[in-house]
This record gives sequence, C-alpha cells and structure tokens, in this order.
Amino acid sequence: SAVISQKPSRDICQRGTSLTIQCQVDSQVTMMFWYRQQPGQSLTLIATANQGSEATYESGFVIDKFPISRPNLTFSTLTVSNMSPEDSSIYLCSVRTSSTDTQYFGPGTRLTVL
Amino acid sequence: AQSVTQLDSHVSVSEGTPVLLRCNYSSSYSPSLFWYVQHPNKGLQLLLKYTSAATLVKGINGFEAEFKKSETSFHLTKPSAHMSDAAEYFCVVTPTPDKFYFGSGTKLNVKP
Repeated sequence: SAVISQKPSRDICQRGTSLTIQCQVDSQVTMMFWYRQQPGQSLTLIATANQGSEATYESGFVIDKFPISRPNLTFSTLTVSNMSPEDSSIYLCSVRTSSTDTQYFGPGTRLTVL
Repeated sequence: AQSVTQLDSHVSVSEGTPVLLRCNYSSSYSPSLFWYVQHPNKGLQLLLKYTSAATLVKGINGFEAEFKKSETSFHLTKPSAHMSDAAEYFCVVTPTPDKFYFGSGTKLNVKP
C-alpha cells in the first residue's frame, strides 16, 4: 500500500479564483490519478497525471480548467481554475504502484465555492 | 463497454444482523473487481479485491465478497453488522489497471 496526503484538506473559495491541491505519496509510484466527487455522487476520473509529460484528461475535463503537474514520482498538483459554485466537490488523488492494479486514495480535499 | 451497477442506493440493517450490498458489472474483459468504503468526511479505504485467484474473497473488518461470473455479480456481505460499519460502499470494476469504473455507491445505515 501507500500513504497519501493531500493539502489543503478543505477550503472555501470565491468564484473566479483558483485553488491548487497538492498530493504527496510516501513512495515512488507509477501512476497518479485525480478524481472528483460531487455532493452525493460517486467518483469521476478527471485525469491521469503522467510523470514528465502532460496529463491525460477524461472526456468532459480540459487542461485549461484543471491543469495538472507531476514533477516527480511522489508528487502531483491539481489546480481548479476560474472556479464557480459548480466546482464545489471533494477532489481525491489516488496512486497505483507498478506491482499491483489496486488504487489507493488520499483523504480528499473538500472544496466549497461561494 | 464497462459498467458497474449497485442495486441499492441505501441499505438499513440492525446491529448484529447480516449485511448484503449488491453489485453487478459488465465488462468486455476479465476484470478486477474491488469494494471500497468511505466513512463520513474520510477518504476511500480498500475493503477487498478480486483478481481471479479465488471466487470468494475475504477482506478487512469481516467483509467478504463472492465473484459469480454466470451472474456477473460481486456482492459484498458481512455476517453481523456493527455500528462502525455505517458508511458508503463503492463497487469498482477495472478492466485495465488504469481505468477504474465506480458504481453509484450504497449508503449503509446500521440501527442500534
């Protein structure tokens, strides 16, 4: 398994601003992912964060709105840009090591946009 | 195409009685299947996973799940519910390691 931390754990932001969420893992991992969980909903994959190259986005998510960085094998950031109340969600990062197909999840960042 | 259906959005049981959370899936491949639990204001915790080694999979906290290919089901069970089991449970199918498809979730309520 892996120990994953996220910062911030929660935030309240004004519309039109941006928030960067950090994800740190205690070991080097092959794959890192970012998910969104809207209120009362299941999880939806936003993108796969690739080390050393651009992230791979799922349908409905674009780089201008959710830019992602992954500078090394233990760290990634997700920015939620030009926020609106519809962006209020829990954002979770997850990781997968090369030896397993299991994903391990961080504790999530609860974002409220006013 | 891949999908996963959790048949009950809410399940309510009394403490000490059995728990059954139902999950059906469809997949073009031989998938891996997972159950995760999410306690209020917490992240997701892996309960158990199936990867074709054995059809009956035992997980943490007394939970187990049985893979039934003929029924395309992967139902989660526990013989005796505890108050601490109250949470939301997600069934996940992953036909390839990088694609996790989440069910809509089942909220389990445990009554004293």
